[in-house]
Amino acid sequence: AQSVTQPDIHITVSEGASLELRCNYSYGATPYLFWYVQSPGQGLQLLLKYFSGDTLVQGIKGFEAEFKRSQSSFNLRKPSVHWSDAAEYFCAVVGPNSGGSNYKLTFGKGTLLTVNP
Amino acid sequence: DTGVSQDPRHKITKRGQNVTFRCDPISEHNRLYWYRQTLGQGPEFLTYFQNEAQLEKSRLLSDRFSAERPKGSFSTLEIQRTEQGDSAMYLCASSAHTDTQYFGPGTRLTVL
Repeated sequence: AQSVTQPDIHITVSEGASLELRCNYSYGATPYLFWYVQSPGQGLQLLLKYFSGDTLVQGIKGFEAEFKRSQSSFNLRKPSVHWSDAAEYFCAVVGPNSGGSNYKLTFGKGTLLTVNP
Repeated sequence: DTGVSQDPRHKITKRGQNVTFRCDPISEHNRLYWYRQTLGQGPEFLTYFQNEAQLEKSRLLSDRFSAERPKGSFSTLEIQRTEQGDSAMYLCASSAHTDTQYFGPGTRLTVL
């Protein structure tokens, strides 16, 4: 079964600092990978996705992520964090053509980002 | 293009009562999903519809849970005889053929 690990439960950065959130997945082939962001009490907003092709993908709000097959990782980065980026971030995977289950998102437990002024 | 909407946003109920939630997907999306999210966890898959057909149900979806999508548009999720363990955020998502799921704001259920 596929799984997603987000090793950092909580990260605190200063406004203007760079950010990297880690995500590792377990899957037999190359999955579709996603990062979502969730503000308190809200639903999930899609930041970016990787299906194939260029392994560095750009998303909304200045975020980017890099797919590294050799490390089974899909880390999220931002060069300069803004106070409004404080939220919870979820990495997710869905496996194409996996016995028909190519639609079920499997999420990590999330990383809570705190931004200090 | 409006996003996914869910109603109600918050629901407080007493143990043993029945509750029903509604999800309206993005209009051209034929796939609809329900997830449940408990505190400190990522969302967990509950069920999936393609048009009006319910194609998969998670083992998390006990017999007290039922979901419908009668005309392939909106969907309802009903929980009968609610228990305190049902307290969670219930999220709905929809997608077209691209496999990218777009989420609604969620319904927060509190069972007293």
